[in-house]
Amino acid sequence: GAVVSQHPSWVICKSGTSVKIECRSLDFQATTMFWYRQFPKQSLMLMATSNEGSKATYEQGVEKDKFLINHASLTLSTLTVTSAHPEDSSFYICSARDRGLSTNSPLHFGNGTRLTVT
Amino acid sequence: AQSVAQPEDQVNVAEGNPLTVKCTYSVSGNPYLFWYVQYPNRGLQFLLKYITGDNLVKGSYGFEAEFNKSQTSFHLKKPSALVSDSALYFCAVRDGAGRRALTFGSGTRLQVQP
Repeated sequence: GAVVSQHPSWVICKSGTSVKIECRSLDFQATTMFWYRQFPKQSLMLMATSNEGSKATYEQGVEKDKFLINHASLTLSTLTVTSAHPEDSSFYICSARDRGLSTNSPLHFGNGTRLTVT
Repeated sequence: AQSVAQPEDQVNVAEGNPLTVKCTYSVSGNPYLFWYVQYPNRGLQFLLKYITGDNLVKGSYGFEAEFNKSQTSFHLKKPSALVSDSALYFCAVRDGAGRRALTFGSGTRLQVQP
């Protein structure tokens, strides 16, 4: 089945530093990837839609200068949390849809990245 | 706007008994409905979806869901629960006429007791 690889699975960083999270579709191409954020015991909140070759679309309230998204190829999207602060600590999950399938096909999710900012 | 409600934070059921996890939705167009399961510190795994057709949808691991348009519900069911089914379950909706991203419910933790 379709596999989405997300790396790293966990990261601890100091306040003020930047962290990059990678999301790769291993056996399919994705023109669109979605980045979600999940707080403990809460649902997934859509942060942004990553579009290959163009700018990401951010949800209301998500700072695009803080959460930089780059979708440089059909198999890779990156999320960079810039100048991280403790309140950015969360579980970040990416998802992608196989561009060869209909838009009704299910999203495939990475295993998530647990970010802890100290 | 599209939204999903999962009214139960947790559902407890004994192994071997049937289980139901509830979900109601709201969309402006035709609903595309999904169920996903999440294990601790992992991403989401797809269980099943409803796009069109039969109201009863069968999915992975013996799960099924019933689409009820009049009640705007899409409850997840399984005839006989397993301890290994214990996990966090998310219902999600996408407006068929609108945005491509999924909107998720708050999640329901299923606890199956041996």
